[in-house]
Amino acid sequence: EPEVTQTPSHQVTQMGQEVILRCVPISNHLYFYWYRQILGQKVEFLVSFYNNEISEKSEIFDDQFSVERPDGSNFTLKIRSTKLEDSAMYFCASGQPNQPQHFGDGTRLSIL
Amino acid sequence: GQQVMQIPQYQHVQEGEDFTTYCNSSTTLSNIQWYKQRPGGHPVFLIQLVKSGEVKKQKRLTFQFGEAKKNSSLHITATQTTDVGTYFCAGSNTNAGKSTFGDGTTLTVKP
Repeated sequence: EPEVTQTPSHQVTQMGQEVILRCVPISNHLYFYWYRQILGQKVEFLVSFYNNEISEKSEIFDDQFSVERPDGSNFTLKIRSTKLEDSAMYFCASGQPNQPQHFGDGTRLSIL
Repeated sequence: GQQVMQIPQYQHVQEGEDFTTYCNSSTTLSNIQWYKQRPGGHPVFLIQLVKSGEVKKQKRLTFQFGEAKKNSSLHITATQTTDVGTYFCAGSNTNAGKSTFGDGTTLTVKP
């Protein structure tokens, strides 16, 4: 069964550094999402992406965040200048209309 | 904005007892999904409900979507230790829109 894959599985970064989280969505999916989950808390929506542009974003997704689909397969989340509070699990998901979203295994981001 | 509330936050049961978690949305939903997350893992899709009043079963799990499409429940009959984890509901307002997750219900099962 096709899967959403995310790399790296764990990223450790110094505060203030830029970080890029990578995702390869399921190949025939058209909608892409990033979510985050702070340890012990619920999954929070960050941004959705369709047709090469952001379709919706949350209050969390401020100017420090950006997403990109640089080629036909990758979907990236960039955090420009990381803060301690950015430490969380980041999940990528992809989907089709009327179909459930499929989640990747996540990237654990640790900011020191 | 849309809010999805889930209760209870925690549930401790003896193996063999039943378990139910409830999900309520502040707005009418297009669909609702249920996920299970084991500690250290990612949310694993269980089921999606789309129709008003829909009831779906997966072995010991029964999922319901309310008539008004604003609430949902997951019921597990005769829990087993393998059922431990956090169960999240996630609702969408549109067919391909974001999912708003509930806070989750963490189930522990005592053998």
